[in-house]
Amino acid sequence: ILNVEQSPQSLHVQEGDSTNFTCSFPSSNFYALHWYRWETAKSPEALFVMTLNGDEKKKGRISATLNTKEGYSYLYIKGSQPEDSATYLCAFDGATNKLIFGTGTLLAVQP
Amino acid sequence: ETGVTQTPRHLVMGMTNKKSLKCEQHLGHNAMYWYKQSAKKPLELMFVYNFKEQTENNSVPSRFSPECPNSSHLFLHLHTLQPEDSALYLCASSVVSYNEQFFGPGTRLTVL
Repeated sequence: ILNVEQSPQSLHVQEGDSTNFTCSFPSSNFYALHWYRWETAKSPEALFVMTLNGDEKKKGRISATLNTKEGYSYLYIKGSQPEDSATYLCAFDGATNKLIFGTGTLLAVQP
Repeated sequence: ETGVTQTPRHLVMGMTNKKSLKCEQHLGHNAMYWYKQSAKKPLELMFVYNFKEQTENNSVPSRFSPECPNSSHLFLHLHTLQPEDSALYLCASSVVSYNEQFFGPGTRLTVL
């Protein structure tokens, strides 16, 4: 059974803090790692699709890194803002037409 | 807006009712998915359709019956559900063979 773990489960930070969270996934049969941002009552929104070991992607204040050999990805948010409050999901893609999701990290940014 | 819409957004039904969830995508994709999210659990894949053909049924009970009449529309027909089926049901779409999936906002289902 493929397992995707995310930590921490939840995180409370102050506006302006930088933060990061982790996604662990199987290191075999890797094709891609997806990050999504999910605000309450909205659709999950794709942030990054990462495919290459050592890949680093950036979108504004959010960036992600990938280590496929050891099976982990980090998501970083620099200078958190209240509008960053959401659940951040990662999903393992083994090229099987199925994504295996983690339970997410719930981020709350206090003004 | 992701280009994927779902109706209704909220549904309350009794165990003897029959209802349907609808998903529509305006992205020109040819793969569509149903996911279930129960409290404190990861998104769980239920069904996959590629070019209107069902390619994945993740051991879903027969009280959930999907239908994909064309590449833009996906339905989930519900009958004789149980209270434990109460969850958020999400639809997604993608281009076949490329797994970046675009999600709808979900239907919050409560079974009484």
